[in-house]
Amino acid sequence: AQTVTQSQPEMSVQEAETVTLSCTYDTSESDYYLFWYKQPPSRQMILVIRQEAYKQQNATENRFSVNFQKAAKSFSLKISDSQLGDAAMYFCAYRRSPEQGGGADGLTFGKGTHLIIQP
Amino acid sequence: NAGVTQTPKFRILKIGQSMTLQCTQDMNHNYMYWYRQDPGMGLKLIYYSVGAGITDKGEVPNGYNVSRSTTEDFPLRLELAAPSQTSVYFCASSRIQTEQFFGPGTRLTVL
Repeated sequence: AQTVTQSQPEMSVQEAETVTLSCTYDTSESDYYLFWYKQPPSRQMILVIRQEAYKQQNATENRFSVNFQKAAKSFSLKISDSQLGDAAMYFCAYRRSPEQGGGADGLTFGKGTHLIIQP
Repeated sequence: NAGVTQTPKFRILKIGQSMTLQCTQDMNHNYMYWYRQDPGMGLKLIYYSVGAGITDKGEVPNGYNVSRSTTEDFPLRLELAAPSQTSVYFCASSRIQTEQFFGPGTRLTVL
């Protein structure tokens, strides 16, 4: 079974600075997807960024980027120029690719990292 | 385009009562999912469906039932509610190769 580990229960960063959230995962599959979801106090799960394992290039979305290290099974999220609106729980998640039989798979989530932005 | 909608937003049940959590999506997605989120934890998969009439168990299915009579709707039924089912419940949907889109969640308390 796949597992996702987020080793930082809580992180704090000053507004406008950069913060990196860590995520490691365990899988025997060669092709899969990784995601970062943001959950603000409203509870809504919001997709931040997605990475396909077969792509070597790290995904970026504006101020959000990932460092995907496939051999190390590591998938960290970097938030640049942190803003007060970035304060939330951040969840790392995994699913197999459809080509590996994971077309209908649910997501496997880590326990989350609570990100605090200091003004 | 409302995305994924869930009702109710909040509910308090007494032990042994039953209820149905409603989920509807208007994106014509084949795949739908129910998750629960316990305090301080990530989401765990309860049930999922790959299309109308087809459902399957996830990681934590005990105490729940689902049905999928249409592409749009995927209700979750709780029979004989127990305190261990106190949680936040999320419904999600996706196409085969895309990310999952989540509803706003239902906070359920069983007393």
